[in-house]
Amino acid sequence: DTEVTQTPKHLVMGMTNKKSLKCEQHMGHRAMYWYKQKAKKPPELMFVYSYEKLSINESVPSRFSPECPNSSLLNLHLHALQPEDSALYLCASSQPSDRVSYGYTFGSGTRLTVV
Amino acid sequence: AQKVTQAQTEISVVEKEDVTLDCVYETRDTTYYLFWYKQPPSGELVFLIRRNSFDEQNEISGRYSWNFQKSTSSFNFTITASQVVDSAVYFCALGDSGGSNYKLTFGKGTLLTVNP
Repeated sequence: DTEVTQTPKHLVMGMTNKKSLKCEQHMGHRAMYWYKQKAKKPPELMFVYSYEKLSINESVPSRFSPECPNSSLLNLHLHALQPEDSALYLCASSQPSDRVSYGYTFGSGTRLTVV
Repeated sequence: AQKVTQAQTEISVVEKEDVTLDCVYETRDTTYYLFWYKQPPSGELVFLIRRNSFDEQNEISGRYSWNFQKSTSSFNFTITASQVVDSAVYFCALGDSGGSNYKLTFGKGTLLTVNP
């Protein structure tokens, strides 16, 4: 199994809603990532978890709350989002200790629309 | 600071033409990693190649080839005999092995359209 699975694939939410994005991998990777990608732009790193601990937060607003319940799962909890938060949210994972040196495996993303 | 420049925003070719996508990078690290990813309209980022800074050997994989030149800080990607299925956005990315060695810095991407 060499996949990163993200659910849901599409999500439409109102600005007062609370929703969660989910990401799962079974490759034994111990680093997991959330990236945000706006239309016609490259992905931008949001969060990094290493061994289930948050190691990097790229100054992301608190309306985005990551969670790593175990080594296979990564969640992104969303609350009080703004329309400008509409984007493709990509999850990725990488090898236990090699991190960027071995690159990432990306999921297919969740396309989020905030109305 | 890390920086990746993909000067070609869009390229359009006719099927069977060869096409080269340019990538120029900037880094102060002596050890770093370069990647190419393909992003079709469906959205997923598909890993194509990883190259570390100590390995300047060019690589060929089927119709794909990569030319890494440290002297010009370039890592160009060539598709030979392009096909319609090659239509996608292609990203070049740079990863460092320093303190922030989780982060990939992406170029802005090149949209390749292969017309039948």
